[in-house]
Amino acid sequence: AQSVAQPEDQVNVAEGNPLTVKCTYSVSGNPYLFWYVQYPNRGLQFLLKYITGDNLVKGSYGFEAEFNKSQTSFHLKKPSALVSDSALYFCAVRDPRGITGGGNKLTFGTGTQLKVEL
Amino acid sequence: DTGVSQNPRHKITKRGQNVTFRCDPISEHNRLYWYRQTLGQGPEFLTYFQNEAQLEKSRLLSDRFSAERPKGSFSTLEIQRTEQGDSAMYLCASSLELAALYNEQFFGPGTRLTVL
Repeated sequence: AQSVAQPEDQVNVAEGNPLTVKCTYSVSGNPYLFWYVQYPNRGLQFLLKYITGDNLVKGSYGFEAEFNKSQTSFHLKKPSALVSDSALYFCAVRDPRGITGGGNKLTFGTGTQLKVEL
Repeated sequence: DTGVSQNPRHKITKRGQNVTFRCDPISEHNRLYWYRQTLGQGPEFLTYFQNEAQLEKSRLLSDRFSAERPKGSFSTLEIQRTEQGDSAMYLCASSLELAALYNEQFFGPGTRLTVL
């Protein structure tokens, strides 16, 4: 069964500094990886995905993520953090059986609370 | 707004009562998913539909839970004889899935259920 680990419950960073939110995964076969952001009392918003191709994936709001197969990681990054980036971030992996139509569920990590301070 | 919508946004009920939630996906999306999220946790998969067919159910989905998508458009999730442990945020998502096209899921705002 696939799994996702987000080792940090909270990440604090000063506005203007680079940020990294960590994610490692475990899956059989090719990983399909996603990052979502959740603001209070709202649903999850899609940020970016890795399916295949370049290891550096660019997404919404200036976020990017680096896929590292040898380290089974998919860390979320942003060169310069904003206070408005403060939110709960989830990494997710898709069931690879989706290729053959057997499944399409996402398995999520427990989330990392990002706090950007002035 | 053409996003995923869910109703109601909040539901408070007493233990033992039945509740039903509705999800309206993005109109052209053929797949619809239900997830449950409890405090401090990521969403957990419950079930999903391809058009009107329910193709997968999690072991989390006990016999008290039933989901339908009768015409391949909106979906309902019913919980019978609610228990306090059912208190959670219930999230609906949809996606457009075509052969070899791995699309992201778009989530609704959720329905927060509180069982007293």
